[in-house]
Amino acid sequence: DVKVTQSSRYLVKRTGEKVFLECVQDMDHENMFWYRQDPGLGLRLIYFSYDVKMKEKGDIPEGYSVSREKKERFSLILESASTNQTSMYLCASSFLGQINNQPQHFGDGTRLSIL
Amino acid sequence: QQQVKQSPQSLIVQKGGISIINCAYENTAFDYFPWYQQFPGKGPALLIAIRPDVSEKKEGRFTISFNKSAKQFSLHIMDSQPGDSATYFCAASTDGGATNKLIFGTGTLLAVQP
Repeated sequence: DVKVTQSSRYLVKRTGEKVFLECVQDMDHENMFWYRQDPGLGLRLIYFSYDVKMKEKGDIPEGYSVSREKKERFSLILESASTNQTSMYLCASSFLGQINNQPQHFGDGTRLSIL
Repeated sequence: QQQVKQSPQSLIVQKGGISIINCAYENTAFDYFPWYQQFPGKGPALLIAIRPDVSEKKEGRFTISFNKSAKQFSLHIMDSQPGDSATYFCAASTDGGATNKLIFGTGTLLAVQP
């Protein structure tokens, strides 16, 4: 069965800390995505990657960076956490392209609180 | 910049009723329109999707209606059940699916009352 695993369900950090969110998929997907989900704003794309060491900015990349050293793992990094980065973070993966309507598969999210 | 507008924000429907969620878009380059369903504590999962060459797609109790000229599409849930209570997101893709990058609507929280 398809599996996207996010390392933490809940995380509490302090402002100014460097925060790492980890995501692993076991489906050999080329694409991986990081979103944040906020009430009333839906899912907003932070960064995505279509290959190892490749990355592209999404709609809200400011304050974030990513790392993809291996195909199955995609990390989101908050360089210096701020309170406005308190949110639910969702990782997703998919095959490259949408031939046969390949869906994005999501993890269950990490709820991050920055104090 | 919100490119996919979704309404309503929340919806309460009685068991057996029809739930209708609407989305509108501006970018005529969009060519793939999926709907995702999210239960509490879980990530979203693909429910049903449509491409603009058809006006309707039905899968069980779920139907997408697509109006290309109006740049609108909607999700209809027939015979709504309490188990359908979830958040629903519409989405759109603009690049022919090359990167599978999606733009999501703001979500609709559906509650189906028994």
